[in-house]
Amino acid sequence: EVQLLESGGGLEQPGGSLRLSCAASGFTFSNYAMSWVRQAPGKGLEWVSAITGSGGSTYYTDSVKGRFTISRDNSKNTLYLQMNSLRGEDTAIYYCANSNGGIFDPWGQGTLVTVSS
Amino acid sequence: EIVLTQSPATLSLSPGERATLSCRASQSVSSYLAWYQQKPGQAPRLLIYDTSNRATGIPARFSGSGSGTDFTLTISSLEPEDFAVYYCQQRSNWPVTFGPGTKVDIK
Repeated sequence: EVQLLESGGGLEQPGGSLRLSCAASGFTFSNYAMSWVRQAPGKGLEWVSAITGSGGSTYYTDSVKGRFTISRDNSKNTLYLQMNSLRGEDTAIYYCANSNGGIFDPWGQGTLVTVSS
Repeated sequence: EIVLTQSPATLSLSPGERATLSCRASQSVSSYLAWYQQKPGQAPRLLIYDTSNRATGIPARFSGSGSGTDFTLTISSLEPEDFAVYYCQQRSNWPVTFGPGTKVDIK
């Protein structure tokens, strides 16, 4: 069974940093592009970042460029999102998802990031 | 960036009724349009990809159609578990984008 399990969320002050992790199992992790998608409280879905299976290419939405870094460790079947210079508007549930070809399936259960003083 | 709009924002129906959800793109996305279902407190789930292909395990009452800029998700006969929010998403152009969602609630 394919599983994605996020961790690392929590409460952080504006300007602070958090690192999210997503542990994958049930599929050959290194074969698949992965993404982070977020959902602000009561709002819709927003793609945040993606990385190719090898980790050689990364992509970001404009609002997080220069602040967030996506990476992966294929030996550990784990995806990461390093989030620096956090802002209030980054408050959201962050989901990791298998995103080969831009189709998101499956999704993890999400981890909540709250940015507040 | 391609903007997706969904209508209606809310659809109030009874179990057994047919649901028709619309998604319109600001420019052509060819057939690269997907639909996701999200229930309260849960992650989204892929229903349909590339306009009309059901994802693994998705019941046949869910179907998708359309092309270019106008797409439709149809639920032929609503089951109690189908009351949820539905999002469309395009993968034709980078960055991928999602629509704002249609909530299907119980009338």
